[in-house]
Amino acid sequence: DAGITQSPRHKVTETGTPVTLRCHQTENHRYMYWYRQDPGHGLRLIHYSYGVKDTDKGEVSDGYSVSRSKTEDFLLTLESATSSQTSVYFCAISIAGANTDTQYFGPGTRLTVL
Amino acid sequence: GQQVMQIPQYQHVQEGEDFTTYCNSSTTLSNIQWYKQRPGGHPVFLIQLVKSGEVKKQKRLTFQFGEAKKNSSLHITATQTTDVGTYFCAAPGGYQKVTFGIGTKLQVIP
Repeated sequence: DAGITQSPRHKVTETGTPVTLRCHQTENHRYMYWYRQDPGHGLRLIHYSYGVKDTDKGEVSDGYSVSRSKTEDFLLTLESATSSQTSVYFCAISIAGANTDTQYFGPGTRLTVL
Repeated sequence: GQQVMQIPQYQHVQEGEDFTTYCNSSTTLSNIQWYKQRPGGHPVFLIQLVKSGEVKKQKRLTFQFGEAKKNSSLHITATQTTDVGTYFCAAPGGYQKVTFGIGTKLQVIP
């Protein structure tokens, strides 16, 4: 395990409410990622971070924002949740300098938007 | 980033039968990775292939990287119920990023 925790693990919310998911890592890794997983779509990158305050968009970033004010925490915010954002969200890290982009995932957050 | 097509999306096998999933790219890949996700769990890295024609084995799992580095396969010999899950391939998707295939969901019938 790469020392990654996600909170909450489950959340049910209503359309239009803001939601923040937290990813916490204990090993000082530089690169962190947020993915969503949906049936028929696999894992799709939402946003990623390559350092404190350094973030960039992935392929499905609309409706999401992120922040990384500390190395250990990467927050994903749904500004105004919609039913299409019902999904399982995974945080991941990769290990810099290891000549690889291997992803190590957290346990996931199951989000339901009613 | 690179796009990878993965087939099949679903596979049901009788326990003891073999299973193969395939991953294809239209462009040459610098490497390809394979992950396994158990039901209700998170994806877990299995292996990375880098060299043309590379073959690696992990017990009953055999991973191959094509000579042209555009395709890869994962073969499981004599499946067991512990093999149940979704298997993903992943290709480099830009600096320190990967792009995942859609995954192959394997069901093993005891």
